[in-house]
Amino acid sequence: AQSVTQLDSQVPVFEEAPVELRCNYSSSVSVYLFWYVQYPNQGLQLLLKYLSGSTLVESINGFEAEFNKSQTSFHLRKPSVHISDTAEYFCAVSRPGGNTPLVFGKGTRLSVIA
Amino acid sequence: GAVVSQHPSWVICKSGTSVKIECRSLDFQATTMFWYRQFPKQSLMLMATSNEGSKATYEQGVEKDKFLINHASLTLSTLTVTSAHPEDSSFYICSARRPGSGTGELFFGEGSRLTVL
Repeated sequence: AQSVTQLDSQVPVFEEAPVELRCNYSSSVSVYLFWYVQYPNQGLQLLLKYLSGSTLVESINGFEAEFNKSQTSFHLRKPSVHISDTAEYFCAVSRPGGNTPLVFGKGTRLSVIA
Repeated sequence: GAVVSQHPSWVICKSGTSVKIECRSLDFQATTMFWYRQFPKQSLMLMATSNEGSKATYEQGVEKDKFLINHASLTLSTLTVTSAHPEDSSFYICSARRPGSGTGELFFGEGSRLTVL
């Protein structure tokens, strides 16, 4: 079985400052890794994903995450945040192959302060 | 644009009544859909896996008679909360994966917020 740990439940950061949201996973098999973002009272939107290949993946809005197999981590980073980045961020894993559900971490609330 | 859509977005009902939430895949056929429940400021907990043409698979601790799931077509799954009580108030989110995509990515509906008075 897979599990995901997001150590930080809340991360306040000033606008234009860098941010890192931490994610560690546990799995006995290889996994796919995802970051989703959730705005208030909305569903989840995919931010970025790691399936294979390059361990550094990027999103279109400046976020990036690096898969580190030895540390079983998939931390999310952004060099300069905006007010509009305020949201809940969820790290998730799934097992490759088959139509299996995602297992989510508890989420990290990113609050960007003007 | 959205590829998975839920309806209704918000519903308020009286205790003891039943509420139906619909989840549709808009541009692909989904033999499997997943229903999640999210409590305030908490993560998403998988409730059940909806399988087209067969019975849903429920996670441990989820009452199948309480949360009825019907996946009657390849584009529609419904979740019915029967005899709802205030403790059933929550945010319910469905999701589906494009068949054959192999990407593992799940597309999520907008969510349905249920408030039971």
